[in-house]
Amino acid sequence: DAGVIQSPRHEVTEMGQEVTLRCKPISGHNSLFWYRQTMMRGLELLIYFNNNVPIDDSGMPEDRFSAKMPNASFSTLKIQPSEPRDSAVYFCASSLEGDRFYEQYFGPGTRLTVT
Amino acid sequence: AQSVAQPEDQVNVAEGNPLTVKCTYSVSGNPYLFWYVQYPNRGLQFLLKYITGDNLVKGSYGFEAEFNKSQTSFHLKKPSALVSDSALYFCAAPSGNTGKLIFGQGTTLQVKP
Repeated sequence: DAGVIQSPRHEVTEMGQEVTLRCKPISGHNSLFWYRQTMMRGLELLIYFNNNVPIDDSGMPEDRFSAKMPNASFSTLKIQPSEPRDSAVYFCASSLEGDRFYEQYFGPGTRLTVT
Repeated sequence: AQSVAQPEDQVNVAEGNPLTVKCTYSVSGNPYLFWYVQYPNRGLQFLLKYITGDNLVKGSYGFEAEFNKSQTSFHLKKPSALVSDSALYFCAAPSGNTGKLIFGQGTTLQVKP
């Protein structure tokens, strides 16, 4: 398996622009997580899905952030409009249900820079 | 509230020496505890977990962790460090039944030749 795939790997955009990050989880995994990592705040869970349904989005910073999972093999995280404080590395992770739920497989991340 | 803490921002060891990366926890009930590693410019990788049973848990790359209930600790250990072990290490625990993992702030391990 190729592991969790994220695109793009790097994104540089100007403040106010829309940014869309993409994730393909490991085939057969039914839980998907979006995290954000910064030096100041560490690793933060933004939202997670189980069987394509959003379960907890309490970590989403504000209405500018939205996430979708239209099917079991694809998810997007959208920021509109983007702001410089959104600059971070965004990780997608996936896992199985049951007692391996917390063994999460992370993608390589998308490094977002908003100028 | 559930929490994990990593008291050291950085640990420095010489190659071939034993290493310990510390983690303490505050969770209700029986703790599930995890260690993850992050190499530069990569996502986190699962190393090992404690669910129940033996207090010494073995994981990937020769790492092990010791669960100590009386000290509420779950320290990561390796008998002989390699330069390639240099990375950022995270301790983690589930946040109740929310489905979330809460991560410590991370400890940078630097192994010098």
